[in-house]
Amino acid sequence: AQSVTQLDSQVPVFEEAPVELRCNYSSSVSVYLFWYVQYPNQGLQLLLKYLSGSTLVKGINGFEAEFNKSQTSFHLRKPSVHISDTAEYFCAVSESGGFKTIFGAGTRLFVKA
Amino acid sequence: ETGVTQTPRHLVMGMTNKKSLKCEQHLGHNAMYWYKQSAKKPLELMFVYSLEERVENNSVPSRFSPECPNSSHLFLHLHTLQPEDSALYLCASSQSLTEYEQYFGPGTRLTVT
Repeated sequence: AQSVTQLDSQVPVFEEAPVELRCNYSSSVSVYLFWYVQYPNQGLQLLLKYLSGSTLVKGINGFEAEFNKSQTSFHLRKPSVHISDTAEYFCAVSESGGFKTIFGAGTRLFVKA
Repeated sequence: ETGVTQTPRHLVMGMTNKKSLKCEQHLGHNAMYWYKQSAKKPLELMFVYSLEERVENNSVPSRFSPECPNSSHLFLHLHTLQPEDSALYLCASSQSLTEYEQYFGPGTRLTVT
């Protein structure tokens, strides 16, 4: 069965510093991978997705993620964060041929001035 | 209205009440989902509908009853809830079951007293 592990529950970082939010998954079949962001009092919004092709995926708001099949990871990165990036970030995986998307427990990114 | 809307945004109900949550998507999608989001826990998939047919009932207690009258509307009927049912209930839609990118509504914050 597929599963998703987000290795950090909280990540504090100073404004303009780089950040990496870690995500590992397990699955016995091909997968599609996603990062979603949730701002306070809002639903989830898609940041980026990996379906196939290039393993480096660029998303909205300057975020990018790299799919590493051998390490079963899909870490999210941003070279310089802003206060407005403070939010909860969710990694998610869907198995090819299935219809369920499994979400990680979330990582709270807190950007400090 | 655009995207996915949910009403009400906040709901407080007693354990003996009956209430309903409403979700509407304006995206022309064919699949809709209910998720439960509790603090410190991953999103829990509750129900999945495709073209108004329920395809997943993820071991959800019978006090939660979904209804999908058409591909644009999804309801979650609630009765005799327990305090542990207090959570954020999120509705989402996707183009189809195999189009895994999901679009989320803002959620209904439910408090059971």
